[in-house]
Amino acid sequence: EVQLVESGGGLVQPGGSLRLSCAASGFTFSDHHMDWVRQAPGKGLEWVGRIRNKANGYTTEYAAPVRGRFTISRDDSKNSLYLQMNSLKTEDTAVYYCSRSPSGNILDVWGQGTTVTIS
Amino acid sequence: DTQMTQSPSSLSASVGDRVTITCRASQGISSSLAWFQKKPGKAPKSLIYAASSLQSGVSSKFSGSGSGTDFSLTISSLQPEDFATYYCLQYKTYPFTFGGGTKVEIK
Repeated sequence: EVQLVESGGGLVQPGGSLRLSCAASGFTFSDHHMDWVRQAPGKGLEWVGRIRNKANGYTTEYAAPVRGRFTISRDDSKNSLYLQMNSLKTEDTAVYYCSRSPSGNILDVWGQGTTVTIS
Repeated sequence: DTQMTQSPSSLSASVGDRVTITCRASQGISSSLAWFQKKPGKAPKSLIYAASSLQSGVSSKFSGSGSGTDFSLTISSLQPEDFATYYCLQYKTYPFTFGGGTKVEIK
């Protein structure tokens, strides 16, 4: 079964840091681009960023609100995706989801989400 | 950035109704458009990618169309489990951008 499981969410004070993890199973993790998407309370979905697969050099892209504060990384040997969040702001409060993007497809499988509260 | 405008922002419909949601991009995005269903407390579910390709395992009552700047999602016969919020996403250019969402409610 294809599965993504996020962890690492919690309550952090403004200015603090947090590292989210996403454990993948049931598919060849290294072949896929991986994305983070968030949803703030009462708001819509917001794309956070992407890390491409090894074939594409593990390069990254970020949304403007998080660029320079968040870093996406991956460890293909552990089938794991990470989101390092620094200089956290109250507006970063959200449920954070990881998702995979196979070649020719986009965000086809999602994790259950992990909640981050900045207060 | 490419702005995605969804309409309507909400709608009320009855079981069995045919429902269409539209999404307009601020610039041409070819067919790089996806649709997602979101229910409270649940992870988003991918429905459509490449504007009209149905994700594996998704009911054929969902269909997508369009290219360039104008897109639509149609639910052919609304069922109780379809009441949710629907989002479009453009992935032609970075940053990827979602539409504001369309909440489908029971009439």
